[in-house]
Amino acid sequence: GDSVTQMEGPVTLSEEAFLTINCTYTATGYPSLFWYVQYPGEGLQLLLKATKADDKGSNKGFEATYRKETTSFHLEKGSVQVSDSAVYFCALSDAQGGSEKLVFGKGTKLTVNP
Amino acid sequence: GAVVSQHPSWVICKSGTSVKIECRSLDFQATTMFWYRQFPKQSLMLMATSNEGSKATYEQGVEKDKFLINHASLTLSTLTVTSAHPEDSSFYICATGANYGYTFGSGTRLTVV
Repeated sequence: GDSVTQMEGPVTLSEEAFLTINCTYTATGYPSLFWYVQYPGEGLQLLLKATKADDKGSNKGFEATYRKETTSFHLEKGSVQVSDSAVYFCALSDAQGGSEKLVFGKGTKLTVNP
Repeated sequence: GAVVSQHPSWVICKSGTSVKIECRSLDFQATTMFWYRQFPKQSLMLMATSNEGSKATYEQGVEKDKFLINHASLTLSTLTVTSAHPEDSSFYICATGANYGYTFGSGTRLTVV
């Protein structure tokens, strides 16, 4: 079945450092890919998405490119801030696989120190 | 954008009692609502999918008699944890949407003592 594998954390960075969180997926169809962010004590918020190969999703300085050849959707940010500290989830939705449900990776906790 | 209002945000209950969690879609109609459970430091696990006017579809291993889901209208879906036990303590989140990007409720922290 469909699955998402993302790099295990926790990840600790200093402010203004470069961030990469790796995410790879397995899907039967042509999934849409997402990154969600969860701040402490809150629900999930959509950070960015890409619906087809080579699409680049971007928001708040974060970017991720849908790479079909490597089945990857790595999250990057050039200069992190303390306010970026949160848990980040990679996810896919494979509607063509017969379901609209989201499949999540295990999450990566990011801590940014001043 | 679309908003899903989830209540309560947190609840503490005694073992053996039941707790109802509500998710309301504001300003739009949600024909499908997904209910997730998040264990500490773990990912979200889909529990069930509710569809307005029909029975919910439960994921394998989820007790449908313990986690009652009702989706009686296009704007309201409820999850009732019946005869709660400490092992049911968790973070429960509802979500609606499709492959355009889900809208999540803010979550409910359930603690059973």
